[in-house]
Amino acid sequence: DGGITQSPKYLFRKEGQNVTLSCEQNLNHDAMYWYRQDPGQGLRLIYYSQIVNDFQKGDIAEGYSVSREKKESFPLTVTSAQKNPTAFYLCASSYGLDRANEKLFFGSGTQLSVL
Amino acid sequence: SQKIEQNSEALNIQEGKTATLTCNYTNYSPAYLQWYRQDPGRGPVFLLLIRENEKEKRKERLKVTFDTTLKQSLFHITASQPADSATYLCALDGSNYQLIWGAGTKLIIKP
Repeated sequence: DGGITQSPKYLFRKEGQNVTLSCEQNLNHDAMYWYRQDPGQGLRLIYYSQIVNDFQKGDIAEGYSVSREKKESFPLTVTSAQKNPTAFYLCASSYGLDRANEKLFFGSGTQLSVL
Repeated sequence: SQKIEQNSEALNIQEGKTATLTCNYTNYSPAYLQWYRQDPGRGPVFLLLIRENEKEKRKERLKVTFDTTLKQSLFHITASQPADSATYLCALDGSNYQLIWGAGTKLIIKP
């Protein structure tokens, strides 16, 4: 089945530690995104990528980093510089950036908590 | 700044009735609007997209309206079922091809 796979489902971070969230898609989509979801707030865009080896900062990129070495993969690293990392992280993809006729496909999310 | 508002209080509806959810926006003129369903601990799932030149869109028991004068979209579920219980998110196109998201409204359908 085609889709987006995020792992792990739950992740715990110690203070000063970097952690990496995995996102893989087999939908042959060009565009991929990382969102953060906090209770009572709308999804906020962290990073997005239109093509391999290219990515752009979203609204809340500070304390995060990404890479796009393969079309299928878009891992997110939460660095120690992110002081409030506890949140539900969602990876998404679409055929392209122009969403006039598009929809986003989401993974099942990773819940990150601080120990 | 651009702002999207969805009712933060949960909406309780009796099974079989029509559920209506609201999405309001300000300082904004979106070209289209999307609705998604999100179950607890899961990612959102796309339901419907409506463009600014469309007044209404239907899909099975779902109906979406888009009033650019009122700056409002209404999302209706007719003949509601307990399986429709979830959080429903609206999203509008923003600058640089990015979506702007509402916080969502939790819908509870009681048997």
